[in-house]
Amino acid sequence: DIQMTQSPSTLSASVGDRVTITCRASQSISSWLAWYQQKPGTAPKVLIHEASTLETGVPSRFSGSGSGTEFNLTISSLQPDDFATYYCQQYNSHSSFGQGTKLEIK
Amino acid sequence: QITLKESGPTLVKPTQTLTLTCTFSGFSLSTSGVGVGWIRQPPGKALEWLALIYWDDDKRYSPSLKSRLTITKDTSKNQVVFTMTNMDPVDTATYYCAHRRYITTGFDYWGQGALVTVSS
Repeated sequence: DIQMTQSPSTLSASVGDRVTITCRASQSISSWLAWYQQKPGTAPKVLIHEASTLETGVPSRFSGSGSGTEFNLTISSLQPDDFATYYCQQYNSHSSFGQGTKLEIK
Repeated sequence: QITLKESGPTLVKPTQTLTLTCTFSGFSLSTSGVGVGWIRQPPGKALEWLALIYWDDDKRYSPSLKSRLTITKDTSKNQVVFTMTNMDPVDTATYYCAHRRYITTGFDYWGQGALVTVSS
């Protein structure tokens, strides 16, 4: 199994801040990585696939980077709607999710 | 417009088999590249990928749960059926089905989720 480890587990930030969430894979997954945003009581929403391709309709303040075993999700200027939990998912070999990063208001 | 909806029991007893049905619209599971997956989320915990079935009937399972899982599709009914045997209280979770438009993408459409509680 490929294990996905996200850091930090919790991130406190303010509106307007630039934040980065990191996801590390236990072995190389090339660029087969997606990022999701989930708000309480709702299904996840995909933001990015193939590590850096923004899904249609996702604001350009979201960006993804990385390949191999280390990946980042960056939000360039936090908006009130961005406070949520974020998950990475690898789909190189079967699939697996990270443990999540809760982005909370400072 | 793509929609998916999970249906099945809300309560199962330990050792029983869970059967969930994902009924979808807006796409065909016979279209090349398309897949439907199952993901679960215990209350307050992280997402866990369970299984995926592709348009060509290729099936993938979580290695740690493979012996307990089965996924099938009925293209004519626009349904995917998921079963998990030998249910345990730790399997209590919201179970989601989700659409994958191609093998290079993540899950772009999700059902609302179905909370399944395992308790005697």
